[in-house]
Amino acid sequence: GENVEQHPSTLSVQEGDSAVIKCTYSDSASNYFPWYKQELGKRPQLIIDIRSNVGEKKDQRIAVTLNKTAKHFSLHITETQPEDSAVYFCAASKPTGNQFYFGTGTSLTVIP
Amino acid sequence: DGGITQSPKYLFRKEGQNVTLSCEQNLNHDAMYWYRQDPGQGLRLIYYSQIVNDFQKGDIAEGYSVSREKKESFPLTVTSAQKNPTAFYLCASTPIQGAGDSPLHFGNGTRLTVT
Repeated sequence: GENVEQHPSTLSVQEGDSAVIKCTYSDSASNYFPWYKQELGKRPQLIIDIRSNVGEKKDQRIAVTLNKTAKHFSLHITETQPEDSAVYFCAASKPTGNQFYFGTGTSLTVIP
Repeated sequence: DGGITQSPKYLFRKEGQNVTLSCEQNLNHDAMYWYRQDPGQGLRLIYYSQIVNDFQKGDIAEGYSVSREKKESFPLTVTSAQKNPTAFYLCASTPIQGAGDSPLHFGNGTRLTVT
């Protein structure tokens, strides 16, 4: 199977600072890496994703980087705002089987 | 919300009773999934289905059962054999079978409490 590890489990930053969340995966066949944001009591929502043929992707204040050799990928949030406070999950999936493997989540708190 | 409807939002049951959680999607997605979410453990896969009348066990299938009689529907039954059923249950779907690179779309979840 696949094993996805996510760090840190909790993260507190001051408003305006950057936040970085890191994930590693074990199966080199994994080729798709989405990131989800989940607010308390709500469903996870896709915020950004990256495919293995790309090293970096950016969408306004959010960016994701992928290092296929090291099998790790990271979420970067710049100029953090209080509404960024949520739990963030990374995931990995392979070309066949349609299975997604999730990290254990990072609870991000942005302090005003 | 988002084309995937889970009902009910909150569900309370007595220990020893089976309970069925509903999941309906109108996105014409092929693959559907059930995840269980517990604090500090992320999302764990219970069952998934890539096509009507076919489904596979995930990592924690024991004590659960599913059916996929229609493309739009993927109900989950939590049986009395599930030892710790209290959790937040999320249903999800993806549009492309076997592609492995389309994001999951989630329903709003059902919070099940068994006492």
